[in-house]
Amino acid sequence: GAVVSQHPSRVICKSGTSVKIECRSLDFQATTMFWYRQFPKQSLMLMATSNEGSKATYEQGVEKDKFLINHASLTLSTLTVTSAHPEDSSFYICSASRLTGTNYGYTFGSGTRLTVV
Amino acid sequence: GENVEQHPSTLSVQEGDSAVIKCTYSDSASNYFPWYKQELGKGPQLIIDIRSNVGEKKDQRIAVTLNKTAKHFSLHITETQPEDSAVYFCAASGPRGSNYKLTFGKGTLLTVNP
Repeated sequence: GAVVSQHPSRVICKSGTSVKIECRSLDFQATTMFWYRQFPKQSLMLMATSNEGSKATYEQGVEKDKFLINHASLTLSTLTVTSAHPEDSSFYICSASRLTGTNYGYTFGSGTRLTVV
Repeated sequence: GENVEQHPSTLSVQEGDSAVIKCTYSDSASNYFPWYKQELGKGPQLIIDIRSNVGEKKDQRIAVTLNKTAKHFSLHITETQPEDSAVYFCAASGPRGSNYKLTFGKGTLLTVNP
């Protein structure tokens, strides 16, 4: 089945530094990748949608200059949290999809726990 | 945009009993309805999904039903086991015009007591 690898699983960084999270589709080419943020005991909130080779589409209220998304290939998307602050601490999850035809689906990564100190 | 409501927020059952989680959606154009199980500190794992051209789907102890007219869908878990304890999310996805965004319900914490 479809597998999405997300790294790192946990990261602790100092306030003001940047952190990069990688999301790879291992056995399929993902036309679209999605990035979510999840606070404790809450649901997943979509941050942005990215298609290979084009700019990401950000949800309302998500700062595109703070959360940089790069989708350079059909198997790799990265999320960079720039100038991280403690309020950016959260669980970040990517999802990859091959949005072709009618039988599309979504495969999620295992998530990245970001702690900004 | 799409809005997905999920109930109940918590559900506690005895091992062997059935569990039912219900969701409603607002956008009649939505056509894909997956259910995910999320364990603590992990990403969501797809357990079953249904598309709008089907009314019911079953996979061993898990089943999903969809009522397009009423815009609601439900997850049914029979013969629950302690390892079924987790947070379950329903979601709905629209067609191309919505950029295939997946909108999640708020989740249900299922606890199966031995």
